[in-house]
Amino acid sequence: DADVTQTPRNRITKTGKRIMLECSQTKGHDRMYWYRQDPGLGLRLIYYSFDVKDINKGEISDGYSVSRQAQAKFSLSLESAIPNQTALYFCATSDSFPGRIYEQYFGPGTRLTVT
Amino acid sequence: QKEVEQNSGPLSVPEGAIASLNCTYSDRGSQSFFWYRQYSGKSPELIMSIYSNGDKEDGRFTAQLNKASQYVSLLIRDSQPSDSATYLCAVKGEDSSYKLIFGSGTRLLVRP
Repeated sequence: DADVTQTPRNRITKTGKRIMLECSQTKGHDRMYWYRQDPGLGLRLIYYSFDVKDINKGEISDGYSVSRQAQAKFSLSLESAIPNQTALYFCATSDSFPGRIYEQYFGPGTRLTVT
Repeated sequence: QKEVEQNSGPLSVPEGAIASLNCTYSDRGSQSFFWYRQYSGKSPELIMSIYSNGDKEDGRFTAQLNKASQYVSLLIRDSQPSDSATYLCAVKGEDSSYKLIFGSGTRLLVRP
């Protein structure tokens, strides 16, 4: 079974709709991250969380919100989806053990299309 | 704005050759460097990490770091068609936020 799972894997939604993307992990990592990937722009960090009570904005957090329901679960919400949020979204995790804290492991991704 | 730059490619090499992928970064205080491989439509997969100047070898992969020149490279020996993918360079900056800055990736094509 995959260590980091994301649901849904694909989603088409309409402008203005609220949508939630979910991430679960069985790696036992404390740190979790949400990225979006657009062609030619690489991976950009939306939000990150070091534990259930520590959530931080990344470089492109506008229009997004997150919830860390448990150590293993980190959800990303688009409150009112717009077409330029069409992208590939990845969840990632990393350990808090010194020497490994920067090594991130990615889920399979969610392809989101906003029409 | 901290940046990580990669040539988008594609870099085309024949099967069995050495593929050389390069990455430059702007934050002189960066301490940690990573290479990820991403197949089309799939998620990035960590393949190498390097923290000290010099070379680090793992199987057919060698990562090279030169902090004075602010570049990190990835060599793939005996390239195989299965190595065809986009390779992302990621850098941990000097600040304490534990965030990685990713380059946009170099696409590698290994010709049979």
